[in-house]
Amino acid sequence: DTEVTQTPKHLVMGMTNKKSLKCEQHMGHRAMYWYKQKAKKPPELMFVYSYEKLSINESVPSRFSPECPNSSLLNLHLHALQPEDSALYLCASSQGALWPRVDVGYTFGSGTRLTVV
Amino acid sequence: ELKVEQNPLFLSMQEGKNYTIYCNYSTTSDRLYWYRQDPGKSLESLFVLLSNGAVKQEGRLMASLDTKARLSTLHITAAVHDLSATYFCAPRTSGSRLTFGEGTQLTVNP
Repeated sequence: DTEVTQTPKHLVMGMTNKKSLKCEQHMGHRAMYWYKQKAKKPPELMFVYSYEKLSINESVPSRFSPECPNSSLLNLHLHALQPEDSALYLCASSQGALWPRVDVGYTFGSGTRLTVV
Repeated sequence: ELKVEQNPLFLSMQEGKNYTIYCNYSTTSDRLYWYRQDPGKSLESLFVLLSNGAVKQEGRLMASLDTKARLSTLHITAAVHDLSATYFCAPRTSGSRLTFGEGTQLTVNP
């Protein structure tokens, strides 16, 4: 299995809702990432998990809450979002920062397109 | 803070022509990635360049890296319509951060 699977593919939520995005990989990767991509813009890093521990939070508002229950799963919990949070949310994985010479690439999922109404 | 500049941001070219996309970055990076993105789709990995002077080729695309100049190029040879997409470069920095350039939107016309 060489894929990163993201669910759901599309999500529409109200500003008072709570929802979660899910990301799964079975490649044995130990680093997982959340990126946010607005239309016509590059992806922007949100969070990095390394060995199931949060290693980077790029000053993301607390209405976004990441969780890494195990080495294969990464969740992004959403609460009280704003319309400007509407974007494509991409999950990625890599072998892990501890093996820089082996860590050849990042595998991106197909993304969750989120619309906040 | 790492800044990544790509140019051009928009590129319209005819089939059969050659062109180069440039990617400049402002701080030291140990490797650089090139990705392709089709509209509404995710990122497709094209190349990873691991060292100074690295050159990789796949089909009509060739990427190179000059770490001293902090410059990478993506050269397109004899463009075809199927290459129309947005291309991103992304140097890797500390903590396995990928910082993406603004992207080059390539349109190849018949």
